[in-house]
Amino acid sequence: SQQGEEDPQALSIQEGENATMNCSYKTSINNLQWYRQNSGRGLVHLILIRSNEREKHSGRLRVTLDTSKKSSSLLITASRAADTASYFCATGGSQGNLIFGKGTKLSVKP
Amino acid sequence: DAGVIQSPRHEVTEMGQEVTLRCKPISGHDYLFWYRQTMMRGLELLIYFNNNVPIDDSGMPEDRFSAKMPNASFSTLKIQPSEPRDSAVYFCASSFRASGTGELFFGEGSRLTVL
Repeated sequence: SQQGEEDPQALSIQEGENATMNCSYKTSINNLQWYRQNSGRGLVHLILIRSNEREKHSGRLRVTLDTSKKSSSLLITASRAADTASYFCATGGSQGNLIFGKGTKLSVKP
Repeated sequence: DAGVIQSPRHEVTEMGQEVTLRCKPISGHDYLFWYRQTMMRGLELLIYFNNNVPIDDSGMPEDRFSAKMPNASFSTLKIQPSEPRDSAVYFCASSFRASGTGELFFGEGSRLTVL
């Protein structure tokens, strides 16, 4: 069963705009991770936020976590065509066995 | 480091044939995971190993699926006999638990088409 669910399923924006993707999950977590997947490629880890953190930054990425609402958001600022990909949130078991949502497909038009 | 290496990248086979997918994890990683990705079901965790020992295979869909990890540098996922509904991209991922990050490193996947 899916633990995380991303919203929206698809997002199309112009280069330079910000992109926001949301993730909701069902059970309590120790941390939440975001991954990126380019078409035809494997997933790549972007950022991890722990349950005691509310916000985290990495370059143009900003992740927030609201454990009371069981939700997280990923913001990509000043998007580029190269950011076109699918983005997944994932939550894990005690041994790192991650459960992924179905992803948000982001298209950034030049 | 070469990363997680999977083979074959593409496999087309006919229903009823045996399929073997291979994975070489990153050296030093102690966890190995097999995932399946389809449009309908997204990414599903099939099975994972810790130090070559299977820990949880509850995601393996049927007895037709089996996975082994004979040593720290090699794992296989076998489907026998294969069926059209097994068509998917199969990913192998590895991680190093002691890093504390929980980050998974994925291979590029094996795209399986069963006719």
